[in-house]
Amino acid sequence: RKEVEQDPGPFNVPEGATVAFNCTYSNSASQSFFWYRQDCRKEPKLLMSVYSSGNEDGRFTAQLNRASQYISLLIRDSKLSDSATYLCVVKDNNDMRFGAGTRLTVKP
Amino acid sequence: DGGITQSPKYLFRKEGQNVTLSCEQNLNHDAMYWYRQDPGQGLRLIYYSQIVNDFQKGDIAEGYSVSREKKESFPLTVTSAQKNPTAFYLCASTHIPGPSNQPQHFGDGTRLSIL
Repeated sequence: RKEVEQDPGPFNVPEGATVAFNCTYSNSASQSFFWYRQDCRKEPKLLMSVYSSGNEDGRFTAQLNRASQYISLLIRDSKLSDSATYLCVVKDNNDMRFGAGTRLTVKP
Repeated sequence: DGGITQSPKYLFRKEGQNVTLSCEQNLNHDAMYWYRQDPGQGLRLIYYSQIVNDFQKGDIAEGYSVSREKKESFPLTVTSAQKNPTAFYLCASTHIPGPSNQPQHFGDGTRLSIL
């Protein structure tokens, strides 16, 4: 079993749609969780950290379920510019474990 | 501006050749990391360093070497022993110690291909 698993997609959605991604992790002792965004042929960039109580940043909402060992990312009112690959990242001490990413394409 | 600089952006390696990828950061970060990304896969850790003159192997260190002579610099050498070097190489850094929820920051990567 992979340490961090994501549905690779692709998710193809129209502008304005709401889309959600899930990510599961295997290490129950994992401490920190992040969502990164990676555009084609570019480096990953931090989108948001994920806190136990859930957190929101504009149109983006992240949730953590420690009992079930998954995190989620919800994007509301999708924009064309949201098209990218979204990487789930789990941190154990100072080791970052990356999911393979979920590809999102937002269409006009 | 503070950041992580990787060079070159594109690199071609001949058979039997060693090549070195540069990574420099001016963020005063203690820890630096090298990852490899292949299409459809997550980032895999090659080497990391938490302090000058010390570094540790990651999950896929074979065929690679690193040095950490200065805090700002963490070059990666892809040796001829690495038989499948074609990939996107990413350097990252972070503060240590720091809050456990401190993320890593990435350079813009080097694409390595075999001639």
